[in-house]
Amino acid sequence: QSVLTQTPSSSGTPGQRVSISCSGSRSNIGSNDVMWYQHFPGTAPKLLVYGSNQRPSGVPDRFSGSKSGSSASLDITGLQSEDEADYYCAAFDDGLGGHMVFGGGTKLTVL
Amino acid sequence: QVQLQESGPGLVKTSQTLSLTCTVSGGPINHGSHYWTWLRQPAGKGLEWIGHISRTGSTKNNPSLKSRVAMSIDMSQSQFSLRLTSVTAEDRAVYYCARAVRACCDKSSGNFYYYMDVWGTGTTVTVSS
Repeated sequence: QSVLTQTPSSSGTPGQRVSISCSGSRSNIGSNDVMWYQHFPGTAPKLLVYGSNQRPSGVPDRFSGSKSGSSASLDITGLQSEDEADYYCAAFDDGLGGHMVFGGGTKLTVL
Repeated sequence: QVQLQESGPGLVKTSQTLSLTCTVSGGPINHGSHYWTWLRQPAGKGLEWIGHISRTGSTKNNPSLKSRVAMSIDMSQSQFSLRLTSVTAEDRAVYYCARAVRACCDKSSGNFYYYMDVWGTGTTVTVSS
């Protein structure tokens, strides 16, 4: 069972906006920034968002992150078929000396 | 650009030690803002952070694995390694190595950013009895 909670699945149609949520606690999201990763099975995960709302260079601005309290969201606008992937949130947790925790992942299906 | 590649046995026997190495190419392993990281993903499950090691050899581990995990770094070979002792079937997973970056700074909080920006492609480890 993952420390951060994500809805296991989500879906949308091309062009639509979807939002993937990530819920944590005061010791992780409530105190630290959130990262979001896109993962196609069998490949290396790709960083989409760091610092809760910062995009690395090369990541389309269709992807945006936000954080409020102990929850975070990844918004994808103008959904495309190639966005169909698993999405993971992550954050540092201040407990037990500090360690990184992940959500269980959200499988995004583009209908 | 920086690339990471995991290597090691794909099959480990129950109760034995899993040993993996990650080779860093295309960039330095001795950068002070980089933390060399191990993660894993059991089949059908989410990602799990195992821990990281800095260029000085300082480590931080997942408390759930702490007593079984050891990490080391060999800057002369541009490699860092993971040892996981007393493996069980629950350690069967795809293991990834990654580079974590500690970078300045969130303009509103002043906090440093920390994120894994380069990952290896992963190596599958099976545990058999």
